[in-house]
Amino acid sequence: QQQVKQSPQSLIVQKGGISIINCAYENTAFDYFPWYQQFPGKGPALLIAIRPDVSEKKEGRFTISFNKSAKQFSLHIMDSQPGDSATYFCAASFTSGGYQKVTFGTGTKLQVIP
Amino acid sequence: NAGVTQTPKFQVLKTGQSMTLQCAQDMNHNSMYWYRQDPGMGLRLIYYSASEGTTDKGEVPNGYNVSRLNKREFSLRLESAAPSQTSVYFCASSEATSNEQFFGPGTRLTVL
Repeated sequence: QQQVKQSPQSLIVQKGGISIINCAYENTAFDYFPWYQQFPGKGPALLIAIRPDVSEKKEGRFTISFNKSAKQFSLHIMDSQPGDSATYFCAASFTSGGYQKVTFGTGTKLQVIP
Repeated sequence: NAGVTQTPKFQVLKTGQSMTLQCAQDMNHNSMYWYRQDPGMGLRLIYYSASEGTTDKGEVPNGYNVSRLNKREFSLRLESAAPSQTSVYFCASSEATSNEQFFGPGTRLTVL
């Protein structure tokens, strides 16, 4: 049972454009919503994260928008650059028994073309 | 700091062979995790260890065993490899009080 649904599967954006990736979750126990960025041949790395008590978080060109009532959140990449080309995973987690129970989305492969 | 390291980077096995994937972290984290990553399926948790001396099953534990050797090291063992275990395996670690997980570079395993 997939608890975090991510779309689109792939995305092509022109340099300078806005990239938008959407995720939806089901389990209301989730209390932390990170986005991970993964380059080919590397492990995922935390990009930005949000907690459900805020509706938006911005770090540089990256913004998370969070809609608690709709159980949806999205990543916006402003002024997309070729260096942003990577696979992006949304995730949702909560703490249980001293560890982070994390459920990942299926990933979005972003290609930013010059 | 090296962060999270994994060995080997690549491995090819024949069906029925066994092997151990090694993971070590130098961030003094209590929690460690093993994930597998398959196309179109994201990352799925195989096993985790909330602290030294404890291990528990994740979402897809069948066919795997783990050992938390000490606080730094967490190994994943395939006793009898199957083609369905062809995947990229990631080890991760986190502090008990933090939500951020730190991932290693991965091991690409092919089972023929």
